[in-house]
Amino acid sequence: DIQMTQSPSSLSASVGDRVTITCRASRTINSYSNWYQQKPGRAPKLLIYTASSLQSGVPSRFSGSGSGTDFTLTISSLQPEDSATYYCQQTFTTPYTFGQGTKLEIK
Amino acid sequence: QVQLQESGPGLVKPSETLSLICTISGYSISRGYHWGWIRQPPGKGLEWIGSVFHNGDTNYSPSLRSRVTISVDTSKNQISLRLSSVTAADTAVYYCARVFQGSGADYWGQGTLVTVSS
Repeated sequence: DIQMTQSPSSLSASVGDRVTITCRASRTINSYSNWYQQKPGRAPKLLIYTASSLQSGVPSRFSGSGSGTDFTLTISSLQPEDSATYYCQQTFTTPYTFGQGTKLEIK
Repeated sequence: QVQLQESGPGLVKPSETLSLICTISGYSISRGYHWGWIRQPPGKGLEWIGSVFHNGDTNYSPSLRSRVTISVDTSKNQISLRLSSVTAADTAVYYCARVFQGSGADYWGQGTLVTVSS
């Protein structure tokens, strides 16, 4: 299986801050990296697919980048509603493994 | 609007078989896409279980392959999950989702909590 390692596991930031979460794959996955946002008691929501494509309806403050083994999710200007846990996932090869999650708290 | 809804028993005894159904509305399974199952133990992260294509082709997580079966019923527009010989470690919220190969899961069910306990 391809392992996806996220960092940090948690972070706290203020409204308006620029926030970056990283994800490293245990081997190359080309651009087959996706990012999800999950709020308590809710299903995950797809934010970014194939590394940098913004899912329809997702605010433009979310962006993704990377290829090969290293990927980032950036929130350009943090909003209160962005408090959630974020997961990366690879869809290069099955099983489509997830990172362990990054819990983002708003100060 | 594509909608997915998981259903099945919320309590399963150890060593028995967990069975869930995901009913899809707003999209015909026969048109394509993969349809997957993902689970999340309480307070933990997401785990990919496996997926099924509309023609019945499946792929499973190696860690669960010996115990899991995912199938599709295009006449009912449903997919199903069976997980045998369950233990407390299989207690989780189980989600079904539409998976665009290579591009992630864009539609999810609300999830259903399955507890394994005697």
